[in-house]
Amino acid sequence: DIQMTQSPSAMSASVGDRVTITCRASQGISNYLAWFQQKPGKVPKRLIYASSSLQSGVPSRFSGSGSGTEFTLTISSLQPEDFSTYYCLQHHTFPYTFGQGTKLEIK
Amino acid sequence: QVQLVESGGGVVQPGGSLTLSCLASGFNFSSYGMYWVRQAPGKGLEWVAFIRYDGSKEYYVDSVKGRFTISRDNSKNTLYLGMSSLRPEDTAVYYCAQDGGGSSWPFENWGQGILVTVSS
Repeated sequence: DIQMTQSPSAMSASVGDRVTITCRASQGISNYLAWFQQKPGKVPKRLIYASSSLQSGVPSRFSGSGSGTEFTLTISSLQPEDFSTYYCLQHHTFPYTFGQGTKLEIK
Repeated sequence: QVQLVESGGGVVQPGGSLTLSCLASGFNFSSYGMYWVRQAPGKGLEWVAFIRYDGSKEYYVDSVKGRFTISRDNSKNTLYLGMSSLRPEDTAVYYCAQDGGGSSWPFENWGQGILVTVSS
């Protein structure tokens, strides 16, 4: 199975900060990677697909990059509504696997 | 627009069985593969199973193989997850989600989730 190592598992930041979350795949997955945001009690929301494509309606402060085994989600200027939990997902090889999640909290 | 509505959750004893349903609308259900994803209380997301658009192939996470069965009825626009030999660690919110197709990529659309509690 492909392991997705997501880091950090938690972080605190301030409004306006630039934040980067990383996912590393245990083997190459090309660009078959998505990023999700999930707020407590809510359905996961896809932010990024195909590693770097922005989901329609998602603010442009979110961006994704990477290919192969290393991927990043960047939020260029944190807004209050961005404090949430983020997950990566590889959908290159079954069984698909999520990263462990990154909880982003207000400093 | 795409709607996915899960049903069938509830409380079940360890060793028991339950079948979840996911009613799809707003798209040509018979043209898309479908997924189940779960989330245990306070934990992360876990991919559970996939079925091809025509039901010809299924894939499962190891922890549910031999106990869970994903299936579909394209005439009813409905996806199912049959769960047997349930364990307390199967307690989770279960989501159905749509695969990609054509130029679209998977996991854009999710159901609202349904809670399954395995407890005596």
